[in-house]
Amino acid sequence: KQEVTQIPAALSVPEGENLVLNCSFTDSAIYNLQWFRQDPGKGLTSLLLIQSSQREQTSGRLNASLDKSSGRSTLYIAASQPGDSATYLCAVRGDGASGSRLTFGEGTQLTVNP
Amino acid sequence: DVKVTQSSRYLVKRTGEKVFLECVQDMDHENMFWYRQDPGLGLRLIYFSYDVKMKEKGDIPEGYSVSREKKERFSLILESASTNQTSMYLCASRVTGGTEQFFGPGTRLTVL
Repeated sequence: KQEVTQIPAALSVPEGENLVLNCSFTDSAIYNLQWFRQDPGKGLTSLLLIQSSQREQTSGRLNASLDKSSGRSTLYIAASQPGDSATYLCAVRGDGASGSRLTFGEGTQLTVNP
Repeated sequence: DVKVTQSSRYLVKRTGEKVFLECVQDMDHENMFWYRQDPGLGLRLIYFSYDVKMKEKGDIPEGYSVSREKKERFSLILESASTNQTSMYLCASRVTGGTEQFFGPGTRLTVL
């Protein structure tokens, strides 16, 4: 059974810092990996999606990498801003028989202080 | 843009009531999903549907049922609500063969 772990559970940084959020998964037979942002009491907003054949994806100040063989992904946020404060979730979509399912990590709660 | 809407943002119900949570998507997606999100447990899949009138159990289907009579609408039903079903419920959709799931804003359900 796929398990997804995110470290750290919470992170507090001053504005302007570059930061890295980590995601690890136990089964490397994945179809893709998706990073989401969730604001308090709200739904999920997709940030980046990396296919299993890709190594990284970039969108603005965000860069996500994937090392499928080691079961790891990182989300890099450059020049963090207070508006980046949210919970960041990593989700893995399985391959094969479990292909429709996403397995989520518990998230990293990020606070960027002005 | 894909739009996934959920009928209520906040809902308060009493133990034993029958509860309907509605989800509608406007992009003709075949696949729809219901998750619940709890502190310390993350998001867990309750049920999903590949197409109209089709449904599959997720990881925690006990105490829930679903209905998919029309392609755009996927309903989650709590036959007899219990306090341990107090949670945030999130709906998502995806086109068959697509790579990305799109989420609704969530319904925070409290069962008293």
